[in-house]
Amino acid sequence: EVVMTQSPLSLPVTLGQPASISCRSSQSLVYSDGNTYLNWFQQRPGQSPRRLVYQVSNRDSGVPDRFSGSGSGTDFTLKISRVEAEDVGIYYCMQATHWPLTFGGGTKVEIK
Amino acid sequence: EVQLVESGGGLVQPGGSLRLSCAASGITLSRYWMHWVRQVPGKGLVWVSRINIDGSSTMYADAVKGRFTISRDNAKNTLYLQMNSLRVEDTAVYYCTSMTTLHDYWGQGTLVTVSS
Repeated sequence: EVVMTQSPLSLPVTLGQPASISCRSSQSLVYSDGNTYLNWFQQRPGQSPRRLVYQVSNRDSGVPDRFSGSGSGTDFTLKISRVEAEDVGIYYCMQATHWPLTFGGGTKVEIK
Repeated sequence: EVQLVESGGGLVQPGGSLRLSCAASGITLSRYWMHWVRQVPGKGLVWVSRINIDGSSTMYADAVKGRFTISRDNAKNTLYLQMNSLRVEDTAVYYCTSMTTLHDYWGQGTLVTVSS
């Protein structure tokens, strides 16, 4: 199965400052149709997960534009341009190119 | 408002069975591939199973293959997960979700505890 490795494990950030989370896959996530099925999810404390980004860089409806996804092949990044208090939580990358679907271990974003 | 409501979780002894349900409202479930994802409290997300739109194709994580069965009743707008031969390591919150479709919906989760 494809192993998804996220870093860092924990990310203390000052309000208003940027944050960046890395996600690497053990094999290319480019599917035979040419698309790359790499998603990012946010899980706030006590809540269900919520998808922020699909296919590397497409924001879901209602997701603030301070969130952006980028990358290709095996290396991907989620960036928050200016962290707000409501961004506290755990962020997961997930690949949907290969079966079984696999998640990264998560990155905990907290306010300094 | 779209809602996915899971039910059927609870405490069960090792070797026992449970059937989880995920009832949808505000959406037509038959338009979506659906998944079950689980999460041990305090730990990460793990994909469990998925089913296609008409139920003709299913897939499972190796950890549950042969013990869990995903199904759906589109007429009832409901997704199911039949869990047999439960193990202590199946203890988790189970979420139903449409996460790989254009619209991402998640339920609130239902806790399954396998313990003697």
